[in-house]
Parts: sequence; C-alpha cells; structure tokens
Amino acid sequence: DQQVKQNSPSLSVQEGRISILNCDYTNSMFDYFLWYKKYPAEGPTFLISISSIKDKNEDGRFTVFLNKSAKHLSLHIVPSQPGDSAVYFCAASPTGNQFYFGTGTSLTVIP
Amino acid sequence: DVKVTQSSRYLVKRTGEKVFLECVQDMDHENMFWYRQDPGLGLRLIYFSYDVKMKEKGDIPEGYSVSREKKERFSLILESASTNQTSMYLCASSLGTGGVEEKLFFGSGTQLSVL
Repeated sequence: DQQVKQNSPSLSVQEGRISILNCDYTNSMFDYFLWYKKYPAEGPTFLISISSIKDKNEDGRFTVFLNKSAKHLSLHIVPSQPGDSAVYFCAASPTGNQFYFGTGTSLTVIP
Repeated sequence: DVKVTQSSRYLVKRTGEKVFLECVQDMDHENMFWYRQDPGLGLRLIYFSYDVKMKEKGDIPEGYSVSREKKERFSLILESASTNQTSMYLCASSLGTGGVEEKLFFGSGTQLSVL
C-alpha cells in the first residue's frame, strides 16, 4: 500500500508564476520529509527537506510546507522557471534510514 | 560532493540472462539502496544494505538478489531476466547516522531493457 501519495501526475505552469506540488502520507511515524527533482535519463537530486518539528522550510525559490495534522506537505516554487521542468518526487522517512517515495509529479513550466 | 556511479547507462539483455548492475559510492556511506522507477509507480525499493555483507529486502525483492562485499560497492543481480524487469534502476547511498539530516544520493541510473 502506497504510504506516500502524489495525486497529481502532471502540472503545467506559466513561467514566473507559482508552482505548487502536493504530497500526502499515511504513516504518522514519518518525521522527515524530502523533495527530489529528476530530469529524464538522470538520477534524482535532492532539493529540500523538512523535519516534523517544523512547518516550513525555505531555500531560495523553493519552500516546503508541512501540515502534520492533515498529513500533507507541499512544495512551492516561486517564480517558476523553464529549467524547473522535471519530475518531482516527495519522500518520507520514519528513521532517516528508510525512505518511502511518492509516484511523482511531472512539472512543465511554459515560457 | 558525493558521487554514486552506476556502471552502465543503458543495457539490453535477453530473457533468461543473468544480469549484474554495479554501483560504487565514494563517500564512505554506510547505507546503500537499489530502487526501480516505472511510470506511474514512482521509486520502489528493491533491496538495501546497512553494512558490508548485510542486506534487507525492500518492497519488491522478487526476482532480484544483491551483493555487498565491500563498503563502497553494492551490486544488483537479476538471476534470470524477464521482460517485466525492463525498467530504470537507480542506486543510492546515504550516510547512515539515521538522523533527520539524512538524505539519499542517487546515481545516474541504468535503463535496462529485457527483450
């Protein structure tokens, strides 16, 4: 059973606007959450993470929000750029040693 | 920077062949992982290893085995390749302290086609 879910397989956004990617999880033992970005024919690269003791973490154009009561997190990209077009994976970990991934959201930023 | 190197970017094999996928990391990480990525299914964990000669099954170990004889090297073995094992295979490593700053570092992936 999928413990981490990304219900939107794809998202298209105009350049300069905000991209919002969503992720839901079911396991209340998860205490660390990460976002990875993946270009075709390349491995995923780490983007940003958040611990369960926080509700927001920001790094440049990327902000991750965590709502523990709703078991929901989101990644905001502002402003979106064409180079942000990629597949984004949400991941969660209960211990820091095992990671559970969502199915990914393919983001297209339209110039 | 951590480097995780997978020996092949593309592989084409025949049904029934034994296939070896090799992965090497250069940052003395304790943990190593093998995932496969399929459209609509995301990244699914095949096997992982916390230490040399240690291995643990992930979510989809059937049809696969692994070997970790040295800390830096983690091999995935398809004992008898089948067409449903056509996929992108991703190797990853992590420090292994188990804290909230852990993250996975991925290789570039091996696109395996089984004909």
